[in-house]
Amino acid sequence: DGGITQSPKYLFRKEGQNVTLSCEQNLNHDAMYWYRQDPGQGLRLIYYSQIVNDFQKGDIAEGYSVSREKKESFPLTVTSAQKNPTAFYLCASSPSPLYGYTFGSGTRLTVV
Amino acid sequence: KQEVTQIPAALSVPEGENLVLNCSFTDSAIYNLQWFRQDPGKGLTSLLLIQSSQREQTSGRLNASLDKSSGRSTLYIAASQPGDSATYLCCTTQGAQKLVFGQGTRLTINP
Repeated sequence: DGGITQSPKYLFRKEGQNVTLSCEQNLNHDAMYWYRQDPGQGLRLIYYSQIVNDFQKGDIAEGYSVSREKKESFPLTVTSAQKNPTAFYLCASSPSPLYGYTFGSGTRLTVV
Repeated sequence: KQEVTQIPAALSVPEGENLVLNCSFTDSAIYNLQWFRQDPGKGLTSLLLIQSSQREQTSGRLNASLDKSSGRSTLYIAASQPGDSATYLCCTTQGAQKLVFGQGTRLTINP
């Protein structure tokens, strides 16, 4: 079945550590996105990528980094510079804006 | 800048009722409008996608309409069931590269 796989489902990080969230899609979509969801704040865009080896900052990119070395993969690294990383992270992909977006099942990151 | 508003923030109705969820947006230059469902702790499940040239889409008991001129979309749920309880999110595009989401409507269907 085609879709987006996010792993792990739950992730715990100690303060000062970098962690990487995985996002893999087998939909052959060109564009991929990372969103952060916090209670009462809705979804906010972190980074997006339209093609391999190219990506752009979203609205809240500070403290995050991404790479897009393969069409299928768009990992997100939450660095120690992100002051409040505890949140639910969602990855999405799209073939083009006309055809909508598919989301993964999310990763819940908790700082301990 | 695109802004999306969903009203009401929460809704509780008895099973079997028909209901309407509302979504408004400020910029009519959109590619599409998409409705999602989110269960607690889960990802987003796409319900309906309306492209900018379309007026409505239907899937089973769900019907979504789009009026770009007024900046509004509605999601109609017929004969509601307890399994419909979830948060419903609408989102639309800002330019060709960004999605903007509403805050969602938390729906509870009481048996």
